[in-house]
Amino acid sequence: GAVVSQHPSWVICKSGTSVKIECRSLDFQATTMFWYRQFPKQSLMLMATSNEGSKATYEQGVEKDKFLINHASLTLSTLTVTSAHPEDSSFYICSAEGSLAGGLSSYNEQFFGPGTRLTVL
Amino acid sequence: DQQVKQNSPSLSVQEGRISILNCDYTNSMFDYFLWYKKYPAEGPTFLISISSIKDKNEDGRFTVFLNKSAKHLSLHIVPSQPGDSAVYFCAATFSGTASKLTFGTGTRLQVTL
Repeated sequence: GAVVSQHPSWVICKSGTSVKIECRSLDFQATTMFWYRQFPKQSLMLMATSNEGSKATYEQGVEKDKFLINHASLTLSTLTVTSAHPEDSSFYICSAEGSLAGGLSSYNEQFFGPGTRLTVL
Repeated sequence: DQQVKQNSPSLSVQEGRISILNCDYTNSMFDYFLWYKKYPAEGPTFLISISSIKDKNEDGRFTVFLNKSAKHLSLHIVPSQPGDSAVYFCAATFSGTASKLTFGTGTRLQVTL
């Protein structure tokens, strides 16, 4: 199956600093990547949809100036949490959309990264 | 507004028995449904899916049932194994490209010996 990696797997930072999280599709090209956030014991909430070469589409309530997304290539999307605060502490997960040869019909499957645990002190 | 709901936050089942995880949705536009399994500190892994044109899809020990009129789907795992212990999320989307997933709140399944 397709592999999506995230780096770093965990990060601790001071309040007010910025943190960059990378999401890579390792063996396929992904024109679309998604960024999710999961708080403890809650569901995965979609933050934004990232399309290669264009601006990301943010979900309602997600500050685009705080969560900067760059999708510069077909295999890499980055999420930068700017001026992080303790309430930004969460588990951030990316997914990359791709269709496998002989795979699902009309649905492009999403392959998830392992997630990044962000702790802001 | 939680469009996809999993009303049971946890479920405990004995090894060898059937596990039934339930999911309800409110948006009638959803036409493709998926189940994901997630371990702590890991991303979700795809388990099984079903299109709204079907009412059942089976893959080995896993079967998903869809009741469109009730806007309800369920995941059956039989026989349950200790390795199935994880959090299970149902998700819904619209078929086609670049479709974002709406996740349920998850059900933690514990399979006991």
